[in-house]
Amino acid sequence: SQTIHQWPATLVQPVGSPLSLECTVEGTSNPNLYWYRQAAGRGLQLLFYSVGIGQISSEVPQNLSASRPQDRQFILSSKKLLLSDSGFYLCAWRGTYTGELFFGEGSRLTVL
Amino acid sequence: GENVEQHPSTLSVQEGDSAVIKCTYSDSASNYFPWYKQELGKGPQLIIDIRSNVGEKKDQRIAVTLNKTAKHFSLHITETQPEDSAVYFCAASPNTGFQKLVFGTGTRLLVSP
Repeated sequence: SQTIHQWPATLVQPVGSPLSLECTVEGTSNPNLYWYRQAAGRGLQLLFYSVGIGQISSEVPQNLSASRPQDRQFILSSKKLLLSDSGFYLCAWRGTYTGELFFGEGSRLTVL
Repeated sequence: GENVEQHPSTLSVQEGDSAVIKCTYSDSASNYFPWYKQELGKGPQLIIDIRSNVGEKKDQRIAVTLNKTAKHFSLHITETQPEDSAVYFCAASPNTGFQKLVFGTGTRLLVSP
């Protein structure tokens, strides 16, 4: 069966520090991968999606970047965090033949 | 691009009552409409979905209806239970390639015993 792992689960970072959130998927190959951010009252905002290794599409201009160095690995990064980067970050994968998104448990980021 | 609006933002019901959450979308090309349930501190999970060639779909106590002409769809939960308390998100997929979902802003449902 397929599983998705996301880490770290929580982190508190100072403004201006770097960020790296990692997501891996097991039990499937060539998944579509997504990073969403959930801010209070704003629902789920799509940040990046990837249809293959090295292929990244950005949905909104921002202080973040994404990379996909391996088929089942998706990384969210920032060189210098802003207060506005605080939120709950969710990684997800989508199978080739279904529309269902499978989400990880999320990473709660607090920037102080 | 696609825009999904969801109402209400919060909904409180008594156990056993029905709950209805409504969403509208803007892109007439959207053809896939899932609903997700998110429990506290967890990632959302799919509970039901509907495609544009179907007007209604039911799974036990939950049902979804779709009106493509009006571009709106709704989630209906009957005989609500305290464990139904969660945040519910609707979404629309704006293209047939299923590349991405656009989510509504969520509805916090509270079911009181």
